[in-house]
Amino acid sequence: GAVVSQHPSRVICKSGTSVKIECRSLDFQATTMFWYRQFPKQSLMLMATSNEGSKATYEQGVEKDKFLINHASLTLSTLTVTSAHPEDSSFYICSARDWDTGGSAKNIQYFGAGTRLSVL
Amino acid sequence: GDSVTQMEGPVTLSEEAFLTINCTYTATGYPSLFWYVQYPGEGLQLLLKATKADDKGSNKGFEATYRKETTSFHLEKGSVQVSDSAVYFCALSGPSGGYNKLIFGAGTRLAVHP
Repeated sequence: GAVVSQHPSRVICKSGTSVKIECRSLDFQATTMFWYRQFPKQSLMLMATSNEGSKATYEQGVEKDKFLINHASLTLSTLTVTSAHPEDSSFYICSARDWDTGGSAKNIQYFGAGTRLSVL
Repeated sequence: GDSVTQMEGPVTLSEEAFLTINCTYTATGYPSLFWYVQYPGEGLQLLLKATKADDKGSNKGFEATYRKETTSFHLEKGSVQVSDSAVYFCALSGPSGGYNKLIFGAGTRLAVHP
């Protein structure tokens, strides 16, 4: 199946610094990628939809100036947490949609392994 | 809005036991339903899906049937193995989100002991 690589898997940073997380589709082109946040023992919450070559679409309540998303190529999307604070500590997960215009069978999201962010 | 509710875990079973993880949903229209599995240290993997009522998704011995009358998509396996230990997520994508967005349940952790 399709592979999505997410890096880093874990990051610890000081309050006030910025952290960049990368999400790459390794064997397919993804015009659309998604960024999720997961709190302990809770659901994955969609933060934003990242579209190649255009601005990301953010879910209600997600600060776009806080969580910068760039999708500059068909295989790479990045999430930058700017001026991170302890309340930003969480598990961030990306996914990439494999889309086959010939049918819905490939309209499936493939997920990265996640990034655990700890802000001190 | 659309939502997914799944049974709380952890679920602890002995090897070869029967597994059921309940999942119910609330959605407008006719959503597609999914089960994803997350093994330790890995990303979520699609386990199975169903796109219309009465469809049965199946994979690796797991099955789930799309029941519109009860708005349910329960996951079952007849005989679990230790290697099935993981977190299982029920999810839907519906017309209200253009079938683009996935809405997840909270996840159910399964632990299978020898």
